[in-house]
Amino acid sequence: QSVLTQPPSASGTPGQRVTISCSGSSSNIGSNAVDWYQQLPGTAPELLIYSNDQRPSGVPDRFSGSKSVTSASLAISGLQSEDEADYFCAAWDDSLIGVVFGGGTKLTVL
Amino acid sequence: EVQLLESGGGLEQPGGALRLSCAASGFTFSSYGMSWVRQAPGKGLEWVSTISGSDSTTYYADSVKGRFTISRDNPKNTLYLQMNSLRVEDSALYYCAKGILGATVVNDHWGQGTLVTVSS
Repeated sequence: QSVLTQPPSASGTPGQRVTISCSGSSSNIGSNAVDWYQQLPGTAPELLIYSNDQRPSGVPDRFSGSKSVTSASLAISGLQSEDEADYFCAAWDDSLIGVVFGGGTKLTVL
Repeated sequence: EVQLLESGGGLEQPGGALRLSCAASGFTFSSYGMSWVRQAPGKGLEWVSTISGSDSTTYYADSVKGRFTISRDNPKNTLYLQMNSLRVEDSALYYCAKGILGATVVNDHWGQGTLVTVSS
């Protein structure tokens, strides 16, 4: 049981906009920034969004993040086949004094 | 180019010990926090431990506290994870990850992982 809650799956067709939610509590998302990681099949995770809505260099602006109170969202616009991957949210938890991850969302491009 | 190369994984019996290493290159190692994150086969990511770059402050997940020890050798640009009293549930692919300046636990580069299997 993950501390942060994500839907196990999401899907969309090429060109569509898809959002993935991440729900937490006052001790994690409510108090700290949220990061998102993308894990393509068979590879190591990669940082996609940090500090709620910041994109590392090289990440397309099709990817965007937002946070509201104790929830966060990752939006992917102009969906492409290469976006098919697992997506994980993460945040620092002040009560656990550590990082907590969401269980991950498997995105399928139909 | 940032490179992180993990080693030291393998098959160990419950109660045994392993020491993982992560050789870093392409950045000023001593300036950055470093973390270990694990992933059991077919499962999600689980944060294990973090060590800061500035003063080597350490943090551990409750699941490994008291059994695992994270450390770093800055002159050797190497991160370690000493794993004692191993349990079956510690079996996973262990990733070494580099933090970003100002946010130690935000990991902008990851290694390819080293596989730890705990089984009798």
